[in-house]
Amino acid sequence: AQTVTQSQPEMSVQEAETVTLSCTYDTSESNYYLFWYKQPPSRQMILVIRQEAYKQQNATENRFSVNFQKAAKSFSLKISDSQLGDTAMYFCAFLRGNGANSKLTFGKGITLSVRP
Amino acid sequence: KAGVTQTPRYLIKTRGQQVTLSCSPISGHRSVSWYQQTPGQGLQFLFEYFSETQRNKGNFPGRFSGRQFSNSRSEMNVSTLELGDSALYLCASSLAGTGEAFFGQGTRLTVV
Repeated sequence: AQTVTQSQPEMSVQEAETVTLSCTYDTSESNYYLFWYKQPPSRQMILVIRQEAYKQQNATENRFSVNFQKAAKSFSLKISDSQLGDTAMYFCAFLRGNGANSKLTFGKGITLSVRP
Repeated sequence: KAGVTQTPRYLIKTRGQQVTLSCSPISGHRSVSWYQQTPGQGLQFLFEYFSETQRNKGNFPGRFSGRQFSNSRSEMNVSTLELGDSALYLCASSLAGTGEAFFGQGTRLTVV
C-alpha cells in the first residue's frame, strides 16, 4: 500500500516571498504519478502540478515548481512570488501508474496562509 | 467545457436515514471516483467506477455503495446514516490513462 506524509500542518509566508511545502511518500511501485492539489475555502480541489515518476525533469507551472527526489521519495512544492490567492490547503497525492485505476492517495494536507 | 458537477451542494439528514449523492463527470471521462473528506481522517477513497463497473473500492462499510450509468454519471448512496458520516463528499472524473483527476465542488452532508 502507498502512503503519503505531509508533516507540516500549517505554514505562513509573506506576500511576494517564496515558500516550500514538503511531502514524502512510500511505495514499491516504479510507475506512478505525484500531484499537488490546492483546496481554497470554496472547497474546490484544484490541480496545481503533476509529476510522472519516470521523468527526471522537475515539473513547473508558472510560479509553482516541484523538487522531485525519486530515490529519497520526496516531492516538495515551491511557490514563488506568493500571492494572497494562494492561501489554501495543499494536498500531496499519489497515483499508481498502471492505467487500471484512478485511486488517489492523499496526504493530510497543509494549511498555507499568505500574509499581506 | 463543463466541469464536474455534484448535486446537491448541501444536505442535512437524520441518523438512520439514507442519502443519494450525484456526480456528472466531464464529457468524455469514463472514470468517476468518490472521496470522503473529514477534519479527522482527511481525504479517504471510497470507490471508483469505470464504464459502469466498480474498479476499486476503499475501506468503508457496506452502507456505502455506488453505481455508474451508461452516460458515466455516478451516484453514491449511504444507508442507515450515522453521525460520523458527516463529511464533504468529493467526486472526481478522469480520462483513462492521463493520471489526472478533476474534482467537483463537493456535497456537504450533515447528519443530525
